[in-house]
Amino acid sequence: DIQVTQSPSSLPASVGDRVTITCRASQDISNSLSWYQQKPGKAPKLLIYDASELETGVPSRFSGTGSGTDFTFTIDRLQPGDIATYYCQQYDNLPLTFGGGTRVDLK
Amino acid sequence: QVQLQEAGPGLVKPSETLSLTCTVSNGSMNYYYWSWIRQPPGKGLEWIGYVYYSGSTTYNPSLESRVSMLIDTSKIQFSLKLKSVTAADTAVYYCARGVIAAPGWMAFDFWGQGAMVTVSS
Repeated sequence: DIQVTQSPSSLPASVGDRVTITCRASQDISNSLSWYQQKPGKAPKLLIYDASELETGVPSRFSGTGSGTDFTFTIDRLQPGDIATYYCQQYDNLPLTFGGGTRVDLK
Repeated sequence: QVQLQEAGPGLVKPSETLSLTCTVSNGSMNYYYWSWIRQPPGKGLEWIGYVYYSGSTTYNPSLESRVSMLIDTSKIQFSLKLKSVTAADTAVYYCARGVIAAPGWMAFDFWGQGAMVTVSS
């Protein structure tokens, strides 16, 4: 299985901050990576796929970069509604695997 | 907007079989990979497997010996059965639509709201 290591696991931030989360895959996954936002008690929501493509309707303050084994997810100008847990997911190989999650909350 | 809705018992006894159904509305099942994903309380996400609209299936090897999935496109439903459950299978179970994202497999663009299933006697 491809392991996906996400960091940090917790990220205190202030409204207006730039927030950055990283995912590292245990082997080359090209750009086969997606990012999800999950709010408490809700299902995950797809934000980014193919490492950098923004899902329709997702605000442009969310972005993703990377390829191979190292990936970055960024929120520019954090808004209160962005408080959530974020997950990456690789889909280069089966079984599909998720990172452990990054909880973004307010300082 | 495509919508998915899970249904099934919220409590299952140890050693019995967990059964869930996902009903899809406002969309076709054709050419998509219909998946089940679970999340134990306070933990991360685990992909269980998918059933393609044609009926073919692929499961996570970690659960493969206990899992079966079926699809009924006439009812716009797909289902999950997980046998011989233990407390470790207690989780929120999500159904989701998988869309192939080049060059690999799938990302999940639509999800159900989730069904909490507790394994306890």
